[in-house]
Amino acid sequence: EVQLVESGGGLVQPGGSLRLSCAASGFTVSNSYMNWVRQAPGKGLEWVALLYSGGTTYYADSLKGRFTISRDTSMNTVYLQMNSLTTADTAVYFCASGATRYRSEYWGQGTLVTVSS
Amino acid sequence: ETVLTQSPGTLSLSPGERATLSCRTSQSVSSSFLAWYQQKLGQAPRLLISGASSRATGIPDRFSGSGSGTDFTLTISRLEPEDFAVYYCQQYDSSPKITFGQGTRLEIK
Repeated sequence: EVQLVESGGGLVQPGGSLRLSCAASGFTVSNSYMNWVRQAPGKGLEWVALLYSGGTTYYADSLKGRFTISRDTSMNTVYLQMNSLTTADTAVYFCASGATRYRSEYWGQGTLVTVSS
Repeated sequence: ETVLTQSPGTLSLSPGERATLSCRTSQSVSSSFLAWYQQKLGQAPRLLISGASSRATGIPDRFSGSGSGTDFTLTISRLEPEDFAVYYCQQYDSSPKITFGQGTRLEIK
């Protein structure tokens, strides 16, 4: 059974950093396309980052280079390193995987990141 | 960047009725790269349709997708109580970037 479990969310002050984890089971992250998608409170879905199975990474323009997606194949886990956080980054962050780069068949339950002083 | 505009913003219907949800893109999108998701309150999104018209595994056949170019449609033929949720279209382009529509809320009338 495919499962994605996010962790690492919490309360952080503006300007701070946080690293989210997405532990995968039932498939291999290095053979899949992995996304991070976020959802601000009461708002819609916003794509954040994409990690190709080959290792190439892509990001939403709005992030201005503050976020980094990566993976640890030995842990079968994907990460999202978030730096220089602002209140606008407050959201539930979902990890999602797909067999292709243009759809996500599996999603985690999400982890809440709150940026506040 | 390709902008996706969904309409209506909210759709009020009764169980048993037919629902038609629209997704228009600001530039032509390959049908292969257009997907639809369902999200219920407090839950993660669920893939319904990919490639504009292919149902994902386990999705009932009352859900169907159609369209090409800049106009895409999600149709639910006969609404069941569990279908009331928010629906998002999503596209992938060659940049590559992924964008979502703002969502259509399907509510019980």
